[in-house]
Amino acid sequence: DQQVKQNSPSLSVQEGRISILNCDYTNSMFDYFLWYKKYPAEGPTFLISISSIKDKNEDGRFTVFLNKSAKHLSLHIVPSQPGDSAVYFCAAFKYSGGGADGLTFGKGTHLIIQP
Amino acid sequence: DAGVTQSPTHLIKTRGQQVTLRCSPKSGHDTVSWYQQALGQGPQFIFQYYEEEERQRGNFPDRFSGHQFPNYSSELNVNALLLGDSALYLCASSLGTKTGELFFGEGSRLTVL
Repeated sequence: DQQVKQNSPSLSVQEGRISILNCDYTNSMFDYFLWYKKYPAEGPTFLISISSIKDKNEDGRFTVFLNKSAKHLSLHIVPSQPGDSAVYFCAAFKYSGGGADGLTFGKGTHLIIQP
Repeated sequence: DAGVTQSPTHLIKTRGQQVTLRCSPKSGHDTVSWYQQALGQGPQFIFQYYEEEERQRGNFPDRFSGHQFPNYSSELNVNALLLGDSALYLCASSLGTKTGELFFGEGSRLTVL
């Protein structure tokens, strides 16, 4: 049972345009959603997060939108740059026992920025 | 400031053997989590250690066990290896247990033949 789903294995975007990565989830108990970025031969690095009580969070070129009624979130990258080419993972967790549960990850979307 | 370091980076084992993977957390971090990433999949949570105790565990059998030492470093042990245990094993550290902002190491690539 996949609780976090990224239905697009890959996405190709022209440099300078907007990249939109999508993520759906099934567990309405999640308290936080995060995006991680992964380059080959490196571990994932944290990018941006959003609390379940918010609908938008922005950090520079990166904005995450959360639609709780649709159980959907998206990551917008504007403008897209060549260094953004990587695999992006959507992840989520809920709080229990006084702390955060382990992250539940999607399968990832490989973003390719074309020059 | 050293980030999360893992060893070994690559190893090959045969079915039935046992393996130990090691992790040193980012300086100042006290919580270590382990994840398994199979090919083409996202990382899957194995367990988390805090104050030298297993605080939480994902859906993994008892063949997977761990330890956290007083200096916050950690080990992941897998017994009776199966072919399906072949994966990238990622260690992640954080300050405390209330955050999902984890710092990951580069991983240990385990191949079981």
